Amino acid sequence: RKEVEQDPGPFNVPEGATVAFNCTYSNSASQSFFWYRQDCRKEPKLLMSVYSSGNEDGRFTAQLNRASQYISLLIRDSKLSDSATYLCVVTGSSNTGKLIFGQGTTLQVKP
Amino acid sequence: EPEVTQTPSHQVTQMGQEVILRCVPISNHLYFYWYRQILGQKVEFLVSFYNNEISEKSEIFDDQFSVERPDGSNFTLKIRSTKLEDSAMYFCAGGALRDGEQFFGPGTRLTVL
Repeated sequence: RKEVEQDPGPFNVPEGATVAFNCTYSNSASQSFFWYRQDCRKEPKLLMSVYSSGNEDGRFTAQLNRASQYISLLIRDSKLSDSATYLCVVTGSSNTGKLIFGQGTTLQVKP
Repeated sequence: EPEVTQTPSHQVTQMGQEVILRCVPISNHLYFYWYRQILGQKVEFLVSFYNNEISEKSEIFDDQFSVERPDGSNFTLKIRSTKLEDSAMYFCAGGALRDGEQFFGPGTRLTVL
């Protein structure tokens, strides 16, 4: 089983649509969870941390279910500029803070 | 807003040559990392560095790889004898907390011919 698993997509949606990405992780000892965004041939940029209580940042909402080892990201009112690859990321269990990345889900928002 | 910087942005080298990739992390960060991403693949952890020593390294980080933080600001990754399969984007990252958010540099694209 992959350490972090995501549906690679692509997700092709019209502007204004709501889109949801899901992710599962295999290591129950992971402590921290994040969504990063990566544009083509660029570095991963932190989108948001993910907490068990759920958290929202503008049009973006992230949820964590530790029991199911499941993380989600919801994007409301999609913009053309949201087109990117969204990376589900968790910390390893080794207490060094290393990040373990999913392969990413590609989103293409069309006019 | 402070940023992680990396040089060079692109390095082309011949197989068997040594390369040094350089990073300047954000000044108040304490935890430093190198990751790599082969074209079309996911980002992979290489090594973590804390308190001037390696805290963890992956299977990829073999004897050909080394890291240094020689002067308290620069953080370098050296590959002693490059192989074709070392061609990838190499990202430096840092964070203030061990399991906290990490901020990435723009990467160095390494091409081994």
